[in-house]
Amino acid sequence: KAGVTQTPRYLIKTRGQQVTLSCSPISGHRSVSWYQQTPGQGLQFLFEYFSETQRNKGNFPGRFSGRQFSNSRSEMNVSTLELGDSALYLCASSYWTGDNSPLHFGNGTRLTVT
Amino acid sequence: GDSVTQMEGPVTLSEEAFLTINCTYTATGYPSLFWYVQYPGEGLQLLLKATKADDKGSNKGFEATYRKETTSFHLEKGSVQVSDSAVYFCALSDPSNAGGTSYGKLTFGQGTILTVHP
Repeated sequence: KAGVTQTPRYLIKTRGQQVTLSCSPISGHRSVSWYQQTPGQGLQFLFEYFSETQRNKGNFPGRFSGRQFSNSRSEMNVSTLELGDSALYLCASSYWTGDNSPLHFGNGTRLTVT
Repeated sequence: GDSVTQMEGPVTLSEEAFLTINCTYTATGYPSLFWYVQYPGEGLQLLLKATKADDKGSNKGFEATYRKETTSFHLEKGSVQVSDSAVYFCALSDPSNAGGTSYGKLTFGQGTILTVHP
């Protein structure tokens, strides 16, 4: 069974630009979560989607947005990029949002903003 | 709000040494607790979990017991190997703060870098 796939693996963008990251969950998984990982702030929750609906949102500005499609694939978008947005963005999927459904993480997209 | 505190690292051990990585938490509800491991260039892998007080999670020789009285979930392994070198994260999910049913929102500790030498 294929794992969580994130594309692209690496991105370099300039301040002020926008970026879209993609996540394909494990087949059959309906819940997708996004996390930002930085050396200074560690792992921080961005948002969670289940059946195309946003279930939870972390404390990030409105420049960060996401969506989930009917096939459970998810995208996140960051507009008006800032230097501080440079990070590893991790996507995780699970079968559903219940207690016995662990998160499976992808290898992440490394975003560098210059 | 919820928080997770891990012992400061990095931790450096010789092969076959005993490992303990301390983790304590603060949560308003009854959280589930997790340990994740991250190898270089990879995402996080679930190592073990415990969903209620006194539960013991175990996997690949690693163990952790959910201690509600001390709000702790310390990770232990009796004999580490070079291949255990990685970053270890303690995390919790507290559905009382997440709409009641969601476990996709995890609060992570800052991570502990473990290096094991031959």
